[in-house]
Amino acid sequence: GDSVTQMEGPVTLSEEAFLTINCTYTATGYPSLFWYVQYPGEGLQLLLKATKADDKGSNKGFEATYRKETTSFHLEKGSVQVSDSAVYFCALSDEAGTALIFGKGTTLSVSS
Amino acid sequence: GAVVSQHPSWVICKSGTSVKIECRSLDFQATTMFWYRQFPKQSLMLMATSNEGSKATYEQGVEKDKFLINHASLTLSTLTVTSAHPEDSSFYICSARAGGSGELFFGEGSRLTVL
Repeated sequence: GDSVTQMEGPVTLSEEAFLTINCTYTATGYPSLFWYVQYPGEGLQLLLKATKADDKGSNKGFEATYRKETTSFHLEKGSVQVSDSAVYFCALSDEAGTALIFGKGTTLSVSS
Repeated sequence: GAVVSQHPSWVICKSGTSVKIECRSLDFQATTMFWYRQFPKQSLMLMATSNEGSKATYEQGVEKDKFLINHASLTLSTLTVTSAHPEDSSFYICSARAGGSGELFFGEGSRLTVL
């Protein structure tokens, strides 16, 4: 079945460092891909998404490109801030748009 | 933005008792709601999908008689963990799909601890 694999955390960075969180997927057909973020004490929030190959999703300085050839959707940010500290989940939904399938989540901790 | 509220956010109960968790969409109508379960350092695992006014669809391996789901209105779904046992201790998260945009919104989650 469909699945999502993302890098193990925690990821610890200093403020203004470059961030990459790897995400790869296994799916039949052409899924949509998502990154969700969960700040401490809050629910999941959609960070960005891409619905077809080569699409780039972006929001709040974060970017991820839908790479079908490598079945990847890596999350990047050029300069992280302390406020970016959170848990990041990569997810996919199938073509029917049913419930999301999530990766295990990656905890990011940014220090000043 | 759209808000999904879960209640309670944290509940502790004795083994053998039943616990009800509510999931409400506060400013939109949710045609479909999903219930997930999350173990520590694990992914969110889909338990069931519920559509307003119809029976929930459970994922393989999820006991429908243990995890009762009711979606009585377009803004409320409930998950009842019946005869809870310590192994049911987990973080339960609901999400709701907005009827117009189809976008998914998530609740803050409910942590259940069964003693």
